[in-house]
This record gives sequence, structure tokens and C-alpha cells, in this order.
Amino acid sequence: GAGVSQSPSNKVTEKGKDVELRCDPISGHTALYWYRQSLGQGLEFLIYFQGNSAPDKSGLPSDRFSAERTGGSVSTLTIQRTQQEDSAVYLCASSLDVDTQYFGPGTRLTVL
Amino acid sequence: QQQVKQSPQSLIVQKGGISIINCAYENTAFDYFPWYQQFPGKGPALLIAIRPDVSEKKEGRFTISFNKSAKQFSLHIMDSQPGDSATYFCAASKGSTLTFGKGTMLLVSP
Repeated sequence: GAGVSQSPSNKVTEKGKDVELRCDPISGHTALYWYRQSLGQGLEFLIYFQGNSAPDKSGLPSDRFSAERTGGSVSTLTIQRTQQEDSAVYLCASSLDVDTQYFGPGTRLTVL
Repeated sequence: QQQVKQSPQSLIVQKGGISIINCAYENTAFDYFPWYQQFPGKGPALLIAIRPDVSEKKEGRFTISFNKSAKQFSLHIMDSQPGDSATYFCAASKGSTLTFGKGTMLLVSP
């Protein structure tokens, strides 16, 4: 079956613009995660969804970041008024159980 | 506060050698310790994982050694191959969220 997909694969935007990143999890996976990966910084947890609810959004770095999930499936991560420090690879993962997270290929965001 | 510390940042090993990557954690509530492998341009993929009720787990050439009292765990790659060249992340979890180390970039020279 299909894995986790993310779109776009690359996004270049200007400082101050809003961006939306999309994640399509593996069908049937109830849990969905967003991470940010910066060079040399590993994977930084952003937010976790169980179904359409977000019981843990402790990793969102500022109120410019928000995410939603609809129908227990697709999720969108929105970054408002982008800053240069937002440049990173944004990774989405989904899982059926607590153990194994399946990652998508990521969206590389560049803020000029 | 970095809850999972990983070392080294980078590692060069000759083909056929043993690659060793170490991680240390602080939160004694962690109860699941996976290792993820990431190739350039791809998302991380689960490689092997261990729970603290065992001290070692082996899958093929990959072994996790776990020391609960020291709050440390390590990944050993035996007979390292050029195809193992990738970035490796250790992680720890309690519940549904994973805390990752900063990664180790492994290069296996032919």
C-alpha cells in the first residue's frame, strides 16, 4: 500500500508570507505527527494528532504555527508570517500503534 | 533541555568494520527506545527497537545494547557496508510521542 505522502516536496516563499504543508497518512492510521528537521538539530517534535484531536501540541514553536486534521486523515500544517528561521524540512509521520511511526519524505521549506 | 543525547555526530568506518553509536537519556519514564535510519532526501525509517526489560536485541547485523542503570543505549552495526551510509537517530518515548537524538551521520568507506 501507499506510504505517507507530503506535498509540496519543496516550497520557496518570501519572508512574511503564509504557507500550508500537507500530509496524507497511511490509510487507517489513527495517529499523525509533525516534526521539523533542521541541519544538525535532529527531529524536533511539533504536534501529535489522535484522530482529529491534538492531545499534544507542546512542540509548536510559536503561535504562528498551527495544524489541523480532518476526517481522521489529511493534516495541514500552517505557518503564518514566515521567518527565515522557519526554513527546514517538515516531516509528517503516521502510526497505527504507539511503537512504529512511518515517515513521509518531507517538505523542504525555504524562506527567503 | 535535551532529553536524549547522541554521539558521535559523525562517524567514518571501513567496510567490514563495526559501527557504534551511543545515546543517553534522562527521563526514567521512557519505556521504548527505537533507532531510525535516514537516507538523503527520504524520511526516517524504523530500523530496530528495544524495551527496557531486555539488555540486548539483535536483528541481522544490527544490535541494540541497553543499560538501564546507566540510562544508556547503543546501536552496533556489524560488518558495516557502504549501503549502511546514512544518518541514524536514536529516540525514546513514554506514550505516543518520540524524543529524538540529534543524529549521527555514518559513512562506510569501500
